[in-house]
Amino acid sequence: KAGVTQTPRYLIKTRGQQVTLSCSPISGHRSVSWYQQTPGQGLQFLFEYFSETQRNKGNFPGRFSGRQFSNSRSEMNVSTLELGDSALYLCASSLAPLGNQPQHFGDGTRLSIL
Amino acid sequence: DQQVKQNSPSLSVQEGRISILNCDYTNSMFDYFLWYKKYPAEGPTFLISISSIKDKNEDGRFTVFLNKSAKHLSLHIVPSQPGDSAVYFCAARQAGTALIFGKGTTLSVSS
Repeated sequence: KAGVTQTPRYLIKTRGQQVTLSCSPISGHRSVSWYQQTPGQGLQFLFEYFSETQRNKGNFPGRFSGRQFSNSRSEMNVSTLELGDSALYLCASSLAPLGNQPQHFGDGTRLSIL
Repeated sequence: DQQVKQNSPSLSVQEGRISILNCDYTNSMFDYFLWYKKYPAEGPTFLISISSIKDKNEDGRFTVFLNKSAKHLSLHIVPSQPGDSAVYFCAARQAGTALIFGKGTTLSVSS
């Protein structure tokens, strides 16, 4: 069974640019969550999508946005990139949102801002 | 304010001995708890979970204990193996809300 797939694995951008990251969940999983991991802050929740609707949102500025498609694939967009956006962005999927079941993570996209 | 805390950044254990990783939380409404393991350059891998109606859950070498009165969670690995060397994250959730993660504990198992 294929796991969560995130593309690209690595990305280098400059300040002010925008970026789109992609996540394909495990087959049959309809909930997708995004996290930002930095050395000092650990994993910080960005948002969660289920049935193409954002169900929950973390404490991040509006420059961070996402969407989910009818096939459950999800994209995350960051506009007007800042140096502090350099991080590992992780996507996780689960069968349903916010229930008592584990989320399964992809290997992440390493975003570096120059 | 950190709702989930892993107060030990690192832990070193000898192969074959028990590893005990600890996690404290502040929100008494948390009702589901999980442990993840993370190797460098990979995403976190789900290990084991426990709901608040239980105080113990076992899966092979891994056992999670939940002490609700102390708001304390622990993961026991017995016996520890060199391949267990990784960063371990605990996470907690209140019904209807997102997972909140601790900052991780790096476990080193020496042979």
